[in-house]
Amino acid sequence: QQQVKQSPQSLIVQKGGISIINCAYENTAFDYFPWYQQFPGKGPALLIAIRPDVSEKKEGRFTISFNKSAKQFSLHIMDSQPGDSATYFCAASRYSGGGADGLTFGKGTHLIIQP
Amino acid sequence: KAGVTQTPRYLIKTRGQQVTLSCSPISGHRSVSWYQQTPGQGLQFLFEYFSETQRNKGNFPGRFSGRQFSNSRSEMNVSTLELGDSALYLCASSFAGAKETQYFGPGTRLLVL
Repeated sequence: QQQVKQSPQSLIVQKGGISIINCAYENTAFDYFPWYQQFPGKGPALLIAIRPDVSEKKEGRFTISFNKSAKQFSLHIMDSQPGDSATYFCAASRYSGGGADGLTFGKGTHLIIQP
Repeated sequence: KAGVTQTPRYLIKTRGQQVTLSCSPISGHRSVSWYQQTPGQGLQFLFEYFSETQRNKGNFPGRFSGRQFSNSRSEMNVSTLELGDSALYLCASSFAGAKETQYFGPGTRLLVL
């Protein structure tokens, strides 16, 4: 059972454009939603994260939009640059008892920014 | 501050063997989580250790096990290796667990022949 569905699988955007990646989750107990960026040969690195008490969070060129009623959240990359070319993963976790469950990841989006 | 380190970086084993992977978290971090990354299944949570105790476990068979030492370093063991265990095994550390920023290491690439 895939608890976090991510789309699209791959995305090509022109330099300077807006990259948009979407995720949908099923478990209403999730209460932490991070986005990770992964370059080839490297581990994932946290980009930005949001909790369900806010609908939007912006850090530089990266913005998360969160829709609790629809159980969806998305990543927007403004003014996309070739250096943003990487694989992006959305994730979710929930707090349970003495600690949080592990992160449940989406399948990833391979983003290519064309110069 | 040094990042998360994982050893070895690459490993080749044959079916039926066992393997031990090591992870050294960022200094001061007490939580270490392990993930398996494959092209087909993506990133999947294996387990988390906090202060030498397994706190959470993903949906993996008992062949996958781990432990954490008093200095927060962690090891992961896979016994009776299967071809499907070929994957990138990632370790992530944080101060208190998955509700905070988790810092990932570069991973150990395991190939089972």
